Amino acid sequence: QSALTQPRSVSGSPGQSVTMSCTGTSSDIGTSNYISWYQQHPGRAPKLMISDVNKRPSGVPDRFSGSKSGNTASLTISGLQAEDEADYYCCSCAGSYPFVLFGGGTKLTVL
Amino acid sequence: DVQLVESGGGLVQPGGSLRLSCAASGFTFSGHWMHWVRQAPGEGLVWVARIDKGGRTTNYADSVKGRFTISRDNAKNTLYLQMSSLRVEDTAVYYCARDYYYNQADYWGQGTLVTVSS
Repeated sequence: QSALTQPRSVSGSPGQSVTMSCTGTSSDIGTSNYISWYQQHPGRAPKLMISDVNKRPSGVPDRFSGSKSGNTASLTISGLQAEDEADYYCCSCAGSYPFVLFGGGTKLTVL
Repeated sequence: DVQLVESGGGLVQPGGSLRLSCAASGFTFSGHWMHWVRQAPGEGLVWVARIDKGGRTTNYADSVKGRFTISRDNAKNTLYLQMSSLRVEDTAVYYCARDYYYNQADYWGQGTLVTVSS
């Protein structure tokens, strides 16, 4: 099964909002309520930012929000800050193989 | 605090074997499914394997099935990944991760680097 499709890069200025997409198929994102987003800074472990399509774990700023429409999930970051610059990975999780399907990752640059 | 600490990575020749460990603390280890996820240099995240709370049910990515074995020792709060018949393309940082709900991982270790090269 192919990885989910994410744009290679997105950028925005401090204070702006950016939205990054994650496109799959009706076999994964289209039928899953378990979409998660991870932030990864260079040389660091991934960090869960969004689970269950749009839930923020404790400690994640409310500037981060998730949504889904059809076969595409989206992560929106509002009020961009310098520390948001990182790679972001989407993930479609399911109860059947492949269980965990990641996107290729999007590099966010804060200009 | 939840902590996951991987160890056991290193340089191994193609065809060789290696066992990774992941020591868990700060939570009830036996209450969570666990995963291994890898990341090749400069590449994205790829799921490798998962194991249920009791260690009886395991699942693998096709790319490692038959070569890797995931296991756990709940008495020692430790997750393992036995890797054999290693290939150059298995070179990656290997992360262990705690399953939060429905295969979504909420805590990750810092990773251990496995390099397969002659």
